Amino acid sequence: DQQVKQNSPSLSVQEGRISILNCDYTNSMFDYFLWYKKYPAEGPTFLISISSIKDKNEDGRFTVFLNKSAKHLSLHIVPSQPGDSAVYFCAASAYDAGNMLTFGGGTRLMVKP
Amino acid sequence: NAGVTQTPKFQVLKTGQSMTLQCAQDMNHEYMSWYRQDPGMGLRLIHYSVGAGITDQGEVPNGYNVSRSTTEDFPLRLLSAAPSQTSVYFCATRLAGGETQYFGPGTRLLVL
Repeated sequence: DQQVKQNSPSLSVQEGRISILNCDYTNSMFDYFLWYKKYPAEGPTFLISISSIKDKNEDGRFTVFLNKSAKHLSLHIVPSQPGDSAVYFCAASAYDAGNMLTFGGGTRLMVKP
Repeated sequence: NAGVTQTPKFQVLKTGQSMTLQCAQDMNHEYMSWYRQDPGMGLRLIHYSVGAGITDQGEVPNGYNVSRSTTEDFPLRLLSAAPSQTSVYFCATRLAGGETQYFGPGTRLLVL
């Protein structure tokens, strides 16, 4: 059973609008959450992260929100740009498990000009 | 500073053949890991190493071997390739105690 789930395999957004990517997890031991971005034929690159002691982390156009009670996190991209078109992976780790990452299945974001 | 490098970029194997996927890093990171990426499954951990001489199994270790004789290199061996091992393989590194992993560009493997 997948411990980290991204239920939307794809998302299409108009340039300039907000993109919201969602992620749910089941393991209450997860204490650190990350988002990775992946372009075709490249490895994933780190985008933004959040610790379980916070509920929001912001970095430029990217904001990650964490709702621990709902075991849900989301990535907001405002404003969306065509260069943001990529696959986004949510990942989680637990300190007690050696900080090894568990990934979601990914969401393909398409930003239309 | 090349970061994390992987070779080859692409490989075709026949069922039963063996091969080694190479991963090298020049960031002096203690932790190295191998993942496979399959459609809809995200990235799944195959094997990892917390330092030279130390390796451990991840979520999907069957059919793969690893060794870590140096900090820089972490090869992944397929002893007898199977079509189910057709995938894209990523190597990743991070500092001990760090949270962020740095990924290589990947190796696309096709097993016929």
